[in-house]
Amino acid sequence: GAGVSQTPSNKVTEKGKYVELRCDPISGHTALYWYRQSLGQGPEFLIYFQGTGAADDSGLPNDRFFAVRPEGSVSTLKIQRTERGDSAVYLCASSSTGGGGTEAFFGQGTRLTVV
Amino acid sequence: AQKITQTQPGMFVQEKEAVTLDCTYDTSDPSYGLFWYKQPSSGEMIFLIYQGSYDQQNATEGRYSLNFQKARKSANLVISASQLGDSAMYFCAMRENTGNQFYFGTGTSLTVIP
Repeated sequence: GAGVSQTPSNKVTEKGKYVELRCDPISGHTALYWYRQSLGQGPEFLIYFQGTGAADDSGLPNDRFFAVRPEGSVSTLKIQRTERGDSAVYLCASSSTGGGGTEAFFGQGTRLTVV
Repeated sequence: AQKITQTQPGMFVQEKEAVTLDCTYDTSDPSYGLFWYKQPSSGEMIFLIYQGSYDQQNATEGRYSLNFQKARKSANLVISASQLGDSAMYFCAMRENTGNQFYFGTGTSLTVIP
């Protein structure tokens, strides 16, 4: 596809359950980012991949959150033992490099609701 | 300290008029990039314009221009000839060359009035 694709677009889960959110970046983009956006707020950084490795996971709020990118393309954000406070829109973005001057292209996001 | 500050939660502009959305930033890195994104109600973040810290001229992209004042650490977005489709949230962002993440502000909600 031409853009960043995120699935599912919406996910409703019960408190305590495990969820996986998928991101398919733009083909050839080596840098991949996960952000979380709460209502009325700007996106909040979670994790950054350069290739297959998590170059910066300093934004993950706790050890219930984990992300992988095993082949340097598709990434999965995994949340264990979900809590109501995890409800937000999870945005994925990719860019051609990780350099400071390179814009990131975002997907439509996954709206996660924990009930 | 906040890396990106957007002090206008909401703005209104008459169709066909110009509007300026404010953004100030904070960094000690001499090399950085400044970005503006538009987020319509559909939720997708759409890249609008980029300004590098060493760029001598203000960036322009169609009806968008970035008023870059380095000494004041401000990077205001100017939208000329506003259209109804410009109604959206607008986010200012920065990425430092020594860092990995984009820092975003809290956004400005722009409403274009017919």
